[in-house]
Amino acid sequence: GAVVSQHPSRVICKSGTSVKIECRSLDFQATTMFWYRQFPKQSLMLMATSNEGSKATYEQGVEKDKFLINHASLTLSTLTVTSAHPEDSSFYICSAGKGGETQYFGPGTRLLVL
Amino acid sequence: SQELEQSPQSLIVQEGKNLTINCTSSKTLYGLYWYKQKYGEGLIFLMMLQKGGEEKSHEKITAKLDEKKQQSSLHITASQPSHAGIYLCGADGINAGNNRKLIWGLGTSLAVNP
Repeated sequence: GAVVSQHPSRVICKSGTSVKIECRSLDFQATTMFWYRQFPKQSLMLMATSNEGSKATYEQGVEKDKFLINHASLTLSTLTVTSAHPEDSSFYICSAGKGGETQYFGPGTRLLVL
Repeated sequence: SQELEQSPQSLIVQEGKNLTINCTSSKTLYGLYWYKQKYGEGLIFLMMLQKGGEEKSHEKITAKLDEKKQQSSLHITASQPSHAGIYLCGADGINAGNNRKLIWGLGTSLAVNP
């Protein structure tokens, strides 16, 4: 199989705090992971491509200092939303590939910033 | 840049009816993916198509890629309430770092009434 997990599944935080979201490939190694953001009733928006052992590649318009990505191992990538504000509230999803074309997605993390 | 257009945006069908969802690309498709998403959850991989004229089936879902590789259709036969969800098509693209990424359609929301 190809299972990707995310933790936490839901998080509520106060404005100004930082939140870390983990994405793990449970039964395979992933040199590349992708982080998406999804607004209600909208499609996925790619935020960045996370590469193991190197810096993430951010899409245009995504603030690198706001959304810190670390891909420390072949099975773990983390997304840290720094100094979160209510407009950062969203559904964040990660995906990982096994080396082929197909991406496997985590269950998502719902972030609510108060 | 490449864009994917899905139609219809939303669909409500009676259980047992057949339905078709379309995904049209502004450029030639080199890899076309169909995913299903339940609201607030991650994406489930359905099928990937690469060759012009290719057709794949899984249970009651059939996906086709046209010969020109610019349009794909997803057909569900004898729909069931379990088929309800958001269907997303994705295509291979290039990210800001010249690496592969997935480009997404806006999704088709399917409701199946029992």
